[in-house]
Amino acid sequence: DTAVSQTPKYLVTQMGNDKSIKCEQNLGHDTMYWYKQDSKKFLKIMFSYNNKELIINETVPNRFSPKSPDKAHLNLHINSLELGDSAVYFCASSHLAGSQETQYFGPGTRLLVL
Amino acid sequence: SQQGEEDPQALSIQEGENATMNCSYKTSINNLQWYRQNSGRGLVHLILIRSNEREKHSGRLRVTLDTSKKSSSLLITASRAADTASYFCATDKEGNDYKLSFGAGTTVTVRA
Repeated sequence: DTAVSQTPKYLVTQMGNDKSIKCEQNLGHDTMYWYKQDSKKFLKIMFSYNNKELIINETVPNRFSPKSPDKAHLNLHINSLELGDSAVYFCASSHLAGSQETQYFGPGTRLLVL
Repeated sequence: SQQGEEDPQALSIQEGENATMNCSYKTSINNLQWYRQNSGRGLVHLILIRSNEREKHSGRLRVTLDTSKKSSSLLITASRAADTASYFCATDKEGNDYKLSFGAGTTVTVRA
């Protein structure tokens, strides 16, 4: 009955590989987000989709490409992984877009690039 | 650069004591939210305060907002071991209310 779920929970991979992280929400929300949390716990927005439309696209390398096949899913594909991509990636969702909305976070995907 | 910054970075208190942490931000806001993150978990929303509000309560939580000082505080009263977590403030920017910017959080340890 997890509201926002992410797979995989852990991801260990070599530099240069391509990997995907999947996110699904069963809350019926319109808006989904990807965040990156670094080792110092800074949480930084990467992307946001509202009703499958990209509304936030922060300055991230174009090796990162989000895809939203439908409102309930937002996946993150990362090409040519680098050491600096090691972090925890959180997916979140909210009922609507807007800073007054409560965001519901997934459990995170811990990515380690070797 | 981060919009919101929490202070202190870490706080250790005895069970039953109050914990106070602060958040300062740089530009005018519409909304400010506080979230909690338990170790190894995702963030959980605690409370939202709008720019025209000065104080809000939720259970043992009290949040204040001083827009003239561009700062907010979160007070946890009568702390419990289960309150051990990191606490984050998240702010938008006036005129751009889609994006929330988070700080690095305050790590609170409640000792039994």
